Amino acid sequence: QVQLQESGPGLVRPSETLSLTCTVSGGSLSSYYWSWFRQPPGKRLEWIGYIYHSGSTKYNPSLKSRVTISVDTSKNQFSLKLNSVTTADTAVYYCARTGYSGSDFNSWGQGALVTVSS
Amino acid sequence: DIQMTQSPSSLSASVGDRVTITCQASQDISNYLNWYQQKPGKAPKLLIYDASILETGVPSRFSGSGSGTDFTFTISSLQPEDIATYSCQHHDRLPWTFGQGTKVEIK
Repeated sequence: QVQLQESGPGLVRPSETLSLTCTVSGGSLSSYYWSWFRQPPGKRLEWIGYIYHSGSTKYNPSLKSRVTISVDTSKNQFSLKLNSVTTADTAVYYCARTGYSGSDFNSWGQGALVTVSS
Repeated sequence: DIQMTQSPSSLSASVGDRVTITCQASQDISNYLNWYQQKPGKAPKLLIYDASILETGVPSRFSGSGSGTDFTFTISSLQPEDIATYSCQHHDRLPWTFGQGTKVEIK
């Protein structure tokens, strides 16, 4: 089964840009849609957006104006950038393999806690 | 967006009990419904997809049913290792959304 691992700073200042990278091992980025999710403390999971290996993207309308997801197939990585962060963006961020079949959602990273604080 | 509402928010049951969680969608999502288990500090684990199909390797005491707007998740005989939060998620259309989760504890 494919494995995913998030990496990036655990602390981001308000108004700055949150950046995370997901490294995929045990499989290629070809096929499937590669997503970012987040879960604020004590709250439900939220889908942020996905990227296909071709580079096409879809974002949650609630975050669309601040989100960019990109892919580097040579490194088997995809990345998240969320700009103009506030304390409301403090959350555990997960990368995951997703798709339009329910069974596609079976591979997740362990999660990365990102705290927005001055 | 499609709103997903789970009930109850938490429950306490004894080992061996049958546990049932419901999930209601604000619109018809056919059978495009996943169930996850999440233990503290861990990533969500897919247990059931397409409302009723057991993911490979998941114990058969877990099951799901339903279609349209009303869904049910059942643990037929609660085990100590089942202590976790369970969440539903639709994948009918974007944006994919989740229920608020049901925390299952041992009585």
